Amino acid sequence: DADVTQTPRNRITKTGKRIMLECSQTKGHDRMYWYRQDPGLGLRLIYYSFDVKDINKGEISDGYSVSRQAQAKFSLSLESAIPNQTALYFCATSDFKGASYNEQFFGPGTRLTVL
Amino acid sequence: SQQGEEDPQALSIQEGENATMNCSYKTSINNLQWYRQNSGRGLVHLILIRSNEREKHSGRLRVTLDTSKKSSSLLITASRAADTASYFCATDETSGSRLTFGEGTQLTVNP
Repeated sequence: DADVTQTPRNRITKTGKRIMLECSQTKGHDRMYWYRQDPGLGLRLIYYSFDVKDINKGEISDGYSVSRQAQAKFSLSLESAIPNQTALYFCATSDFKGASYNEQFFGPGTRLTVL
Repeated sequence: SQQGEEDPQALSIQEGENATMNCSYKTSINNLQWYRQNSGRGLVHLILIRSNEREKHSGRLRVTLDTSKKSSSLLITASRAADTASYFCATDETSGSRLTFGEGTQLTVNP
């Protein structure tokens, strides 16, 4: 089984709808992240969480919210989806040791289309 | 602006040739990481080089880091068609609290 899973894998929705993307991990990592990727661009950080009680905004958090329900679960919500939120969304986890970051482990992604 | 910027944006080579991709960044870093992404899939970590290291090897991968020039390079030797993917550098900044990804280099290896 995959260490980082995302559901759904694909979603088509309409403008104004509320959407939730879910991420689960079995790696036991404390840190979880949500990114979006647009065609031809790198990853942009939406939100990140260092533990269940610690949620932080990334560089493009407007229009998004998150919930860290447990160490293993981190969900991303679009309260009222708009077409420019059409993108590929990735969840990632990492295990922070000492003063520097170790590698991040990514889920397979959710392709979201907002019509 | 992006912390990590890859160069070139796209690279097309023949199987067996070497592929070199470069990454430049702007601030002080703890480490720099390279990731690979197959089309539409999640990123996979390839290699991490710490700020006090100058070169690191992993199989057919060789990474260099020049902190004075704020740049890194990823060399893939004896490339294979299966190496076709996008490659991203990511920086762990000393002033920040997360990785910052560049825009990636799209590598195509022709059989």
